[in-house]
Amino acid sequence: NAGVTQTPKFRILKIGQSMTLQCAQDMNHNYMYWYRQDPGMGLKLIYYSVGAGITDKGEVPNGYNVSRSTTEDFPLRLELAAPSQTSVYFCASSYTAARGPNTGELFFGEGSRLTVL
Amino acid sequence: AQSVTQPDIHITVSEGASLELRCNYSYGATPYLFWYVQSPGQGLQLLLKYFSGDTLVQGIKGFEAEFKRSQSSFNLRKPSVHWSDAAEYFCALFSYDKVIFGPGTSLSVIP
Repeated sequence: NAGVTQTPKFRILKIGQSMTLQCAQDMNHNYMYWYRQDPGMGLKLIYYSVGAGITDKGEVPNGYNVSRSTTEDFPLRLELAAPSQTSVYFCASSYTAARGPNTGELFFGEGSRLTVL
Repeated sequence: AQSVTQPDIHITVSEGASLELRCNYSYGATPYLFWYVQSPGQGLQLLLKYFSGDTLVQGIKGFEAEFKRSQSSFNLRKPSVHWSDAAEYFCALFSYDKVIFGPGTSLSVIP
């Protein structure tokens, strides 16, 4: 009963390095999301996906890339890490009601804390 | 544009006292609204949700929220706060496959 799993939980990067945050869900949810959380700012949407092979930008996509080759996995790629990307990153998924639209109810992973020095 | 505001950045209440956290939204149609709670170092957990119908919705941990269309509000309430309720609370709006969050309200509970 894993739900949404994020790895790694903590990571320190140097400026200019690249890395991928992994996200996997085992609930067969169509929709997946990446958010970043900064103090006092709430959660800001980076990218989201409505199904395998389909991704779209959120509010703050610059400096990030995503892919969705399977229903289960939704990795977030940072190509050239910058100090402004120091944040806590949350992956989430949601489902559609039977023969209905996306419910919007999010299931979250435990987060990945990234520091860029 | 759709948005969510939470006017109170931080609230402190005494244990056993009542609680109301405010949430206002901007949306052109009937919204799907949510309240999530985040304990320190944890992910977010759904407290309750409003899709349609009864404007007073019940959630987990004794929380409830009331949807008021005329005021564009979805305030969260609890009649008696427990020390374990100390956390960050987020109001959220679902719009076109995206969930938009407010900035959050941090709740401290005094013994």
